[in-house]
Amino acid sequence: EAGVTQFPSHSVIEKGQTVTLRCDPISGHDNLYWYRRVMGKEIKFLLHFVKESKQDESGMPNNRFLAERTGGTYSTLKVQPAELEDSGVYFCASSLGYYSSYNEQFFGPGTRLTVL
Amino acid sequence: AQTVTQSQPEMSVQEAETVTLSCTYDTSESDYYLFWYKQPPSRQMILVIRQEAYKQQNATENRFSVNFQKAAKSFSLKISDSQLGDAAMYFCAYQAQGGSEKLVFGKGTKLTVNP
Repeated sequence: EAGVTQFPSHSVIEKGQTVTLRCDPISGHDNLYWYRRVMGKEIKFLLHFVKESKQDESGMPNNRFLAERTGGTYSTLKVQPAELEDSGVYFCASSLGYYSSYNEQFFGPGTRLTVL
Repeated sequence: AQTVTQSQPEMSVQEAETVTLSCTYDTSESDYYLFWYKQPPSRQMILVIRQEAYKQQNATENRFSVNFQKAAKSFSLKISDSQLGDAAMYFCAYQAQGGSEKLVFGKGTKLTVNP
């Protein structure tokens, strides 16, 4: 079974440009999460989808970030316009259905974003 | 808000020896989960071990075990008989009970295993 995949693995863009990150969760996983790790700091939660709905977007830093999950399958995270402080590694994770006692989150390899 | 603190940015251990990674956390909840995740260089993060807060018994997974001290809010990871493949970033994480809550991570500890 394929794991969580993310595309691209690396992206280097200039300040002010737009970048779109994609995450494909494990098939059948209703929960999809985005996290970000800025160099030397904690991995921080950005948002959580249950199927196509945003369950929790309390971690989104500002309105330059837009996340979507089309049809409850893959998700995209768009940064527009990108700023220097957006640099970091963006992780996606997925887990099984919402109404369970515990659902392990499986992580993708991450997208390393560098904003120059 | 919950926080997780890993006070050891880097640790090293000799192959076949034992190493303990430290983690403390802060929460006002009584039921929650704690995890150790491992991220090898250029590879995906994987779950190493999980502890439910309501369980007094410390979790173990083969060479990996935890020392969970609920009152002290401490959750350390012990790796026995360290192997070269154990070299990785190790992240301690907290999750509120509910099954699908977000993870709250520490900054990570980089573990080096020397041959």
